[in-house]
Amino acid sequence: QVQLQQSGAELVKPGASVKLSCKASGYTFTTYYMYWVKQRPGQGLEWIGEINPSNGDTNFNEKFKIKATLTVDKSSSTAYMQLSSLTSEDSAVYYCTRSGYGTFAYWGQGTLVTVSA
Amino acid sequence: QIVLTQSPAIMSASPGEKVTITCSASSSVSYMHWFQQKPGTSPKLWIYSTSKLASGVPARFSGSGSGTSYSLTISRMEAEDAATYYCQQRSSYPLTFGAGTKLELK
Repeated sequence: QVQLQQSGAELVKPGASVKLSCKASGYTFTTYYMYWVKQRPGQGLEWIGEINPSNGDTNFNEKFKIKATLTVDKSSSTAYMQLSSLTSEDSAVYYCTRSGYGTFAYWGQGTLVTVSA
Repeated sequence: QIVLTQSPAIMSASPGEKVTITCSASSSVSYMHWFQQKPGTSPKLWIYSTSKLASGVPARFSGSGSGTSYSLTISRMEAEDAATYYCQQRSSYPLTFGAGTKLELK
């Protein structure tokens, strides 16, 4: 079965960077796009961007073009998202989600990022 | 970008009651997708391509619509249906979600 296992919660200082991981299993990693979605506490869902694991091509929400970097490691079937120059506005749960059925079919459990001095 | 406006933002329903959540798009979209999220958990794909139920979704749920107007309907509310529902479009970038409808059990 498809599983997306995300890395653990992060507590980071303002101005720092953080790299989140999403390890995929149960399917051929390079066949499906991976997306990242942000959810601030008590708020809705926001699409950050997507990556094609087969060739590394990315596409971003303009709002996150400077903030987020998406990469993959095909050898370990893992997708990564690096967030830079963190502020309190970046405190949120970040989900990786795999494409399917024309949308976001499978979701990781989420990684909580807390930005605090 | 395409803005999705959900209504109502919050609602409550009694067991057995019919529930309808609407999602209005600022521009026409080809399909609408819906997600269910319960507190402390990841969103789950609930309805895709406007009217197709995801695996395991009870048949009391249905989706319909076209163009700029879409809806999710529960024929008879059950306790387990209490959750937040989000609509989502991928007809145009950036991919966008509605702000969500919180459905509570009365």
